[in-house]
Amino acid sequence: EPEVTQTPSHQVTQMGQEVILRCVPISNHLYFYWYRQILGQKVEFLVSFYNNEISEKSEIFDDQFSVERPDGSNFTLKIRSTKLEDSAMYFCASSPDLPSSGANVLTFGAGSRLTVL
Amino acid sequence: AQRVTQPEKLLSVFKGAPVELKCNYSYSGSPELFWYVQYSRQRLQLLLRHISRESIKGFTADLNKGETSFHLKKPFAQEEDSAMYYCALRRDDKIIFGKGTRLHILP
Repeated sequence: EPEVTQTPSHQVTQMGQEVILRCVPISNHLYFYWYRQILGQKVEFLVSFYNNEISEKSEIFDDQFSVERPDGSNFTLKIRSTKLEDSAMYFCASSPDLPSSGANVLTFGAGSRLTVL
Repeated sequence: AQRVTQPEKLLSVFKGAPVELKCNYSYSGSPELFWYVQYSRQRLQLLLRHISRESIKGFTADLNKGETSFHLKKPFAQEEDSAMYYCALRRDDKIIFGKGTRLHILP
């Protein structure tokens, strides 16, 4: 069964450093998402991406965050200058079709745990 | 505001007993609702969705528009049901999640 793959599984970084989290979505999926989960809290939407551009982003997704699909397979989340409160599990997800089509079933990756010291 | 509420953080149920995980939502329009599950050390995965009207692993969930609820039920709990369960709602291009309920099945 196809999977969404995320790397690294765990990254420890110093506050202020840049971090790039990588995701390989399922190959025939068209919509891509990043979510995050701070320890003990709910899974929060960050951003959705379709047709090589952001389709929606949340309030959390400020100027410190960016996403891109550099080579047609990888989907990356970059945090330019990490803060302590960015420590969380970051989940990538992909979906095969338009959300309104009824086929909007998200397939999640295993997550990347980011620890900011 | 459109949101999903799961009132219980933790639910402990004896093996063989019925399970009901509560979910309430607020949404203007026709909601599209899901239950996602995360077993220990596994990734978040779809359990079921209301438009499919299916039973997965013995779980069912009925959309009650009058009560704005989408409770997840199973008549007889099994130990392998222990997991984190998230009720979710599709809003535009994204899925939004409730805070989750940890289901602990007692032997």
